[in-house]
Amino acid sequence: GAVVSQHPSRVICKSGTSVKIECRSLDFQATTMFWYRQFPKQSLMLMATSNEGSKATYEQGVEKDKFLINHASLTLSTLTVTSAHPEDSSFYICSASPGTMNTEAFFGQGTRLTVV
Amino acid sequence: AQKITQTQPGMFVQEKEAVTLDCTYDTSDPSYGLFWYKQPSSGEMIFLIYQGSYDQQNATEGRYSLNFQKARKSANLVISASQLGDSAMYFCAMREGRDSSYKLIFGSGTRLLVRP
Repeated sequence: GAVVSQHPSRVICKSGTSVKIECRSLDFQATTMFWYRQFPKQSLMLMATSNEGSKATYEQGVEKDKFLINHASLTLSTLTVTSAHPEDSSFYICSASPGTMNTEAFFGQGTRLTVV
Repeated sequence: AQKITQTQPGMFVQEKEAVTLDCTYDTSDPSYGLFWYKQPSSGEMIFLIYQGSYDQQNATEGRYSLNFQKARKSANLVISASQLGDSAMYFCAMREGRDSSYKLIFGSGTRLLVRP
């Protein structure tokens, strides 16, 4: 099956610093990728839709200046958490699909971010 | 309004028994897809099964089957012959056809624990 690779899997950073998370589709082109956030024992909450070559579409309540998304190629989307604070600590996971209605979405391994 | 509802925060099942995980959904779009994913403690998202709104038959994949009742807007996952490795979080998700991004919206999840 298709593979989506996410890196890093785990990161610890200091408050005030920025962290970049990469999401790559390894064997298909993804014009659209998705970024989710998951708090412990909770569901995946969609943060934004990453669109290749154009601006990301953010869900209501998600700060676009806080969570910068860049989708510069058909196989790579990045999420940058800017000026991270402890409340940004969470599990971030990306997904992509080959782009048809009935095709499953493939997920990256997720990134566990801890801000200290 | 909640688009995907999973009313069982936690479920227990005896090994080798069958278990049903509930999922109801809400959409006015006649074209939609329903997905089930498994998330073990490692955090990865594992695709289990898909049901399209126009599919006449209930989907089956090995030990997984989907009890699709369109009029009731329910898409319950049935796991037969439970195994210890089935212990995980299970998420129901929906994709609407009118949304050209094909984003997935997730329910709150059900934590399944298989007892030996």
